[in-house]
Amino acid sequence: EIVMTQSPATLSVSPGERATLSCRASQSVSSNLAWYQQKPGQAPRLLIYGASTRATGIPARFSGSGSGTEFTLTISSLQSEDFAVYYCQQYNNWPPLTFGPGTKVDIK
Amino acid sequence: EVQLVESGGGLVQPGGSLRLSCAASGFTFSSYEMNWVRQAPGKGLEWVSYISSSGSTIYYADSVKGRFTISRDNAKNSLYLQMNSLRAEDTAVYYCARYGDYEYYFDYWGQGTLVTVSS
Repeated sequence: EIVMTQSPATLSVSPGERATLSCRASQSVSSNLAWYQQKPGQAPRLLIYGASTRATGIPARFSGSGSGTEFTLTISSLQSEDFAVYYCQQYNNWPPLTFGPGTKVDIK
Repeated sequence: EVQLVESGGGLVQPGGSLRLSCAASGFTFSSYEMNWVRQAPGKGLEWVSYISSSGSTIYYADSVKGRFTISRDNAKNSLYLQMNSLRAEDTAVYYCARYGDYEYYFDYWGQGTLVTVSS
């Protein structure tokens, strides 16, 4: 099973600032990595797939990079609606599909 | 518009059973692979089960294998999860989630249904 880790667990950022979230896989997942955003009481929403491709309707301030075992989600200028929990998920080797534990982005 | 609507959650005693349903609309359900993903209160996401578009291929997480059964009815545009021998640790919001067109990420999610296992 591929184990996903995310850092930091919590990221405190001021609106308008840049946020950088990290995700690491216990073995290579190539570019088969997705990022999701989840707000309280809501279902997760797909942001990025293929490590760097934005999903339909996702603003350009969200970008993904990386391959192999190291990945990054960058939010270039945080808006109020971006404060949420972000999860990475690998789909290179499955079952099982595995998620990271999440990074909470909150207001500084 | 793609819609996934779960139902069937509720309070059940340990050892009991529950059947979740997911009604799909806005896309050709029979062409898409589907999954169940759960989230325990205050915790992260855990993949539970997968079913191919025809229903011929099925996978389960080790934590539910032998207790849960995934199925689908393409004529009714519906996905199901039969949950038996429920345990306290199965308490979670259960989401149905659709696989993307080309790869194994989840492009659409339902709003979730809460299952609480408690005496």
